[in-house]
Amino acid sequence: QVHLVESGGGVVQPGRALRLSCEASGFTFRNHGMHWVRQAPGKGLEWLAIIWFDETKEYYADSVRGRFTISRDNSKNTLYLQMNSLRAEDTAVYYCARDFKSYTRILSHWGQGTLVSVSS
Amino acid sequence: EIMMTQSPATLSVSPGERATLSCRASQSVSSNLAWYQQKPGQAPRLLIYGASTRATDIPARFSGSGSGTEFTLTISSLQSEDFAVYYCQQYNNWPPLTFGGGTKVEIK
Repeated sequence: QVHLVESGGGVVQPGRALRLSCEASGFTFRNHGMHWVRQAPGKGLEWLAIIWFDETKEYYADSVRGRFTISRDNSKNTLYLQMNSLRAEDTAVYYCARDFKSYTRILSHWGQGTLVSVSS
Repeated sequence: EIMMTQSPATLSVSPGERATLSCRASQSVSSNLAWYQQKPGQAPRLLIYGASTRATDIPARFSGSGSGTEFTLTISSLQSEDFAVYYCQQYNNWPPLTFGGGTKVEIK
């Protein structure tokens, strides 16, 4: 059974950094692309980033490019999101999601999310 | 960036009735469209991909149709557990992957 567990969220001041983690189990992590998606309070879903199954490619939404970095450690079955220069508008629940296959861009399984609150 | 527009924003339906949700893309996305269901306090769940293929363990009362710019998610007979928010997402022209604003299906 696919299981994704995010961690690392919390309250952070504007301009500071935070790193989120997503531990994966129940499938062969190294065979699947992985995504980060966020949802601001009471709002819809916003895709943030994808990393290829073999770490060779990364793509970002304009809203986070240059500030956020997606990475993964296939030896630890873990996905990361390094978030720098955080802003109030980055306040959201952050979900990691597994790609259906290597990089179909279909988000077949989702974690339960971790809340990031950017506030002074 | 492809814009996805969902309508209506809220759909009031009685249990057992049919629900029809619409999703429109600002340009053609072929059949590269997925639907997700999100219940309050929960993560989204994949329902449909390829515009019409049900994901694993999704009941047959959920069906998707359309191609190009116009798509429909139909729930043939609403069950209590189907009251939720539904999102469409295109994965044809990217980055970025883009979602619609969602349709809330509520009890009438």
